[in-house]
Amino acid sequence: DAKTTQPPSMDCAEGRAANLPCNHSTISGNEYVYWYRQIHSQGPQYIIHGLKNNETNEMASLIITEDRKSSTLILPHATLRDTAVYYCIVRPYSSNTGKLIFGQGTTLQVKP
Amino acid sequence: SAVISQKPSRDICQRGTSLTIQCQVDSQVTMMFWYRQQPGQSLTLIATANQGSEATYESGFVIDKFPISRPNLTFSTLTVSNMSPEDSSIYLCSALEPHQETQYFGPGTRLLVL
Repeated sequence: DAKTTQPPSMDCAEGRAANLPCNHSTISGNEYVYWYRQIHSQGPQYIIHGLKNNETNEMASLIITEDRKSSTLILPHATLRDTAVYYCIVRPYSSNTGKLIFGQGTTLQVKP
Repeated sequence: SAVISQKPSRDICQRGTSLTIQCQVDSQVTMMFWYRQQPGQSLTLIATANQGSEATYESGFVIDKFPISRPNLTFSTLTVSNMSPEDSSIYLCSALEPHQETQYFGPGTRLLVL
């Protein structure tokens, strides 16, 4: 599975957009980009995933570069409850290889 | 999305004892996984729990230390055997729904070994 690189920590002002970058330069054609977050003392929460097109849901937007070597998770209006560790993971989109391999993630601190 | 529960939510155990953690999913799932999260660290995959056959363990994890059962499509157990303080961690169960390709996680079991 491709390896991802994320900044260890970021700050964001409450109400502003939080933009979390992720590098995955060795991603292969059959690998999707997944984002999860882990709020303190809870299990990881699925946010969004994508292959090559930009994706948006009720939680966030995912922007993937054309060469697919990097992506950005955007939380459009960050709140204090968005303070968490955010994990960017790449894995094949196949039910036979379901396991997720977690890196160290980015700790996002949303400040009032 | 699948709702996953774990029992117990937390426990304090003495070294040398064993603890069995239960994971229950509210719907049938294709794959179930067990992860460990040591204090201040990211999640590490322990094994894939296979229904009706032996679990598939990741490098560094062995069946004698972490026996796993998966008797049906909604339930799995992880046993932490002969515990030492180094086993103090959060243990998380996750599941992959059929045709969904999204993995969901339980709330975790917080284990402290004294």
